[in-house]
Amino acid sequence: DTAVSQTPKYLVTQMGNDKSIKCEQNLGHDTMYWYKQDSKKFLKIMFSYNNKELIINETVPNRFSPKSPDKAHLNLHINSLELGDSAVYFCASSPRTGAYGYTFGSGTRLTVV
Amino acid sequence: QKEVEQNSGPLSVPEGAIASLNCTYSDRGSQSFFWYRQYSGKSPELIMFIYSNGDKEDGRFTAQLNKASQYVSLLIRDSQPSDSATYLCAPYTNDYKLSFGAGTTVTVRA
Repeated sequence: DTAVSQTPKYLVTQMGNDKSIKCEQNLGHDTMYWYKQDSKKFLKIMFSYNNKELIINETVPNRFSPKSPDKAHLNLHINSLELGDSAVYFCASSPRTGAYGYTFGSGTRLTVV
Repeated sequence: QKEVEQNSGPLSVPEGAIASLNCTYSDRGSQSFFWYRQYSGKSPELIMFIYSNGDKEDGRFTAQLNKASQYVSLLIRDSQPSDSATYLCAPYTNDYKLSFGAGTTVTVRA
């Protein structure tokens, strides 16, 4: 059973479109995260939810909107996609606030053309 | 100043040698430190964590932590071709998140 699963794995879309990425974890963790990994492989946090409450909201364009319907799910919606949004987006989860390390999903490779 | 800095690499070592990876961090309040391994095209996977000053060994991996110097390292002994990957240092910072370094790419030559 996959611990942290993301869909879709690949996403190719045109500039200006709106798209969503979904994440689900079956580990019973309380906290979930979205990270962006750019072409230089640098992993940067975007958002974090603890038990459905937004606790980390880094400086991210407001075209990006996370949503956590319950503590096992965290989705990321992106409006008006731009070329610079092309990256790999990783979902992760942790037991509490991350002091015990994260478990990452397999990633979603987003390509905006 | 970057929050987390790692030796830039790439680091090439012969099979059986020791690979030494270094990481410095800026947040003095960081209490726990994680090393992740990321194979090309894959997600990061946790390989080691350390909370206390000193050394921690797990199989062929040894993590070393010096909080006074804000320095953490990872040694890979008896390096194998399967160790070829990017290694990410990640302190857990006071603002409740893992901050990742840019990673050091290791290539083990057979």
